[in-house]
Amino acid sequence: GEDVEQSLFLSVREGDSSVINCTYTDSSSTYLYWYKQEPGAGLQLLTYIFSNMDMKQDQRLTVLLNKKDKHLSLRIADTQTGDSAIYFCAESMWTNAGKSTFGDGTTLTVKP
Amino acid sequence: KAGVTQTPRYLIKTRGQQVTLSCSPISGHRSVSWYQQTPGQGLQFLFEYFSETQRNKGNFPGRFSGRQFSNSRSEMNVSTLELGDSALYLCASSVDPTRPDTQYFGPGTRLTVL
Repeated sequence: GEDVEQSLFLSVREGDSSVINCTYTDSSSTYLYWYKQEPGAGLQLLTYIFSNMDMKQDQRLTVLLNKKDKHLSLRIADTQTGDSAIYFCAESMWTNAGKSTFGDGTTLTVKP
Repeated sequence: KAGVTQTPRYLIKTRGQQVTLSCSPISGHRSVSWYQQTPGQGLQFLFEYFSETQRNKGNFPGRFSGRQFSNSRSEMNVSTLELGDSALYLCASSVDPTRPDTQYFGPGTRLTVL
């Protein structure tokens, strides 16, 4: 079945780059997403990538997709303390963007 | 533009009771999805609705049900509450099921079952 896995914790220094990794099992997944959740809040869609793309860049965020290894990563450049949050990787089919499978989330801690 | 609204934000119930949660999508959004978030199971998909039709249902018991109205507002109902139903219930809306770029989540309803 579908499964999405992430490492649970990542700690970086302010100003460094953060790289959050994710693996997924469903090769038919079309959309792959990164969400951010801050304490007491819902999920915020940061970015998504189509499965036929290798990379997508959006300001400080870079998403890399390795389809062969079913590996997705999110790089945050110049990480700030406000980036401290839980980051979720998710996948879905293109016709079912509302039915996503989520990873367990990576808690990013940014130290000053 | 108003975001996704979920009511109530917090709810305390006892075992055996039932509960109804409400989600008002962003204006113009016709697709609504529901998720359950717990520390043990993470984010689990519950339902997806589009134009008043349930398109997908997650692997949850029949005690969990939902519906969508003609104005795209959605409700979910949980009957015969169990302690394990304590969770954050998140609703997301999008223009339609093929537009993830338009998907926004609400702040969630925190349900506590005693």
